[in-house]
Amino acid sequence: LAKTTQPISMDSYEGQEVNITCSHNNIATNDYITWYQQFPSQGPRFIIQGYKTKVTNEVASLFIPADRKSSTLSLPRVSLSDTAVYYCLVGATGGGNKLTFGTGTQLKVEL
Amino acid sequence: GAVVSQHPSRVICKSGTSVKIECRSLDFQATTMFWYRQFPKKSLMLMATSNEGSKATYEQGVEKDKFLINHASLTLSTLTVTSAHPEDSSFYICSAQKTGTGEFLGQPQHFGDGTRLSIL
Repeated sequence: LAKTTQPISMDSYEGQEVNITCSHNNIATNDYITWYQQFPSQGPRFIIQGYKTKVTNEVASLFIPADRKSSTLSLPRVSLSDTAVYYCLVGATGGGNKLTFGTGTQLKVEL
Repeated sequence: GAVVSQHPSRVICKSGTSVKIECRSLDFQATTMFWYRQFPKKSLMLMATSNEGSKATYEQGVEKDKFLINHASLTLSTLTVTSAHPEDSSFYICSAQKTGTGEFLGQPQHFGDGTRLSIL
């Protein structure tokens, strides 16, 4: 399983764009990159998933360079409610393949 | 959508009690479900992988006789903590993955909202 490295914490202010980068040097050909958000005492919530290049949905964008050894989750115009832990996971999704959670990034958004 | 329901959300019980936690995929079929454990301010730790119609695969260090997993249908997996003790108190979370074919499905795991287990 590919290991991931993320910053332990990040601080931001409301209205700013937040970019969280994850390193995954040992990513395999079959692996997808998936980001989850977790609030205290709740299960992780799926944010976005990608394999290469750029993926965008209604809440975030995911940038993946050509070598796929890192990825960046971009949250546009964050609000206080975006304060949470964000996990980057790398693995071959589907087919019952398990994922390993790293430490995650605690994002704190202030006024 | 892909909704996973976990029940109960909170359990408080006496030491020695067995506790059953249910994980249901409400709007999709899930051949595989996963059970995690999370301690305060820590990351999720995978306990076991539950496959419909077969025995669960446990991670190293997880006692299979302590944490019984049953995945009897494509929408339901249960985790039973047998003879629970205070050290079993934790936040237990399940996830489910949509059933499909092909090796590179790209299907993410969808998580329940967790069960807070407190053993007195």
